[in-house]
Amino acid sequence: QKEVEQDPGPLSVPEGAIVSLNCTYSNSAFQYFMWYRQYSRKGPELLMYTYSSGNKEDGRFTAQVDKSSKYISLFIRDSQPSDSATYLCASLNSGGSNYKLTFGKGTLLTVNP
Amino acid sequence: EAGVTQFPSHSVIEKGQTVTLRCDPISGHDNLYWYRRVMGKEIKFLLHFVKESKQDESGMPNNRFLAERTGGTYSTLKVQPAELEDSGVYFCASSQRTGPRQYFGPGTRLLVL
Repeated sequence: QKEVEQDPGPLSVPEGAIVSLNCTYSNSAFQYFMWYRQYSRKGPELLMYTYSSGNKEDGRFTAQVDKSSKYISLFIRDSQPSDSATYLCASLNSGGSNYKLTFGKGTLLTVNP
Repeated sequence: EAGVTQFPSHSVIEKGQTVTLRCDPISGHDNLYWYRRVMGKEIKFLLHFVKESKQDESGMPNNRFLAERTGGTYSTLKVQPAELEDSGVYFCASSQRTGPRQYFGPGTRLLVL
């Protein structure tokens, strides 16, 4: 079983739609949960991260973590064509190995004007 | 502030040849990481430097891969001899501290024929 599972999509939505991206994880030691955005031919860029369970909001983006179900979500409100990219979830231990990111495969999102 | 840079952006080599990838981290970042994405798979951790010292190379596939970070500045990743399965995108990332906030370069796309 992979430590972080993510549906690769692709996902295509109209401009203005609410987008929901999801991952599950299996390693109970994970404490940090990140969402990266990757545009074509670029490196991953950290969008936001949460520590342990809970929600975090940043503008149109909301990240949610439910540790009881090992479920990670990213919601994008009022999606824009500029949001079209691959979204990668990633997890990280706290403590001794708190540098080794474990990624999902990424979900390719297209927002159509 | 300049981001993480990687050179070359693309490399096409034949099986058995040697290739050296270079990464220049963000100035002042002591932590430097190498990751790799093989086609169809998720991005995977290769190794972690703190300054010039290798802290964790548990993700290195085999002894054909050699990473160095001379003087704690730029890093090189040499593959010798290259095999077909080494094809993929090699990402470098850097950070001031360990944790979730890692800054990625654009990657080097390696194709071994």
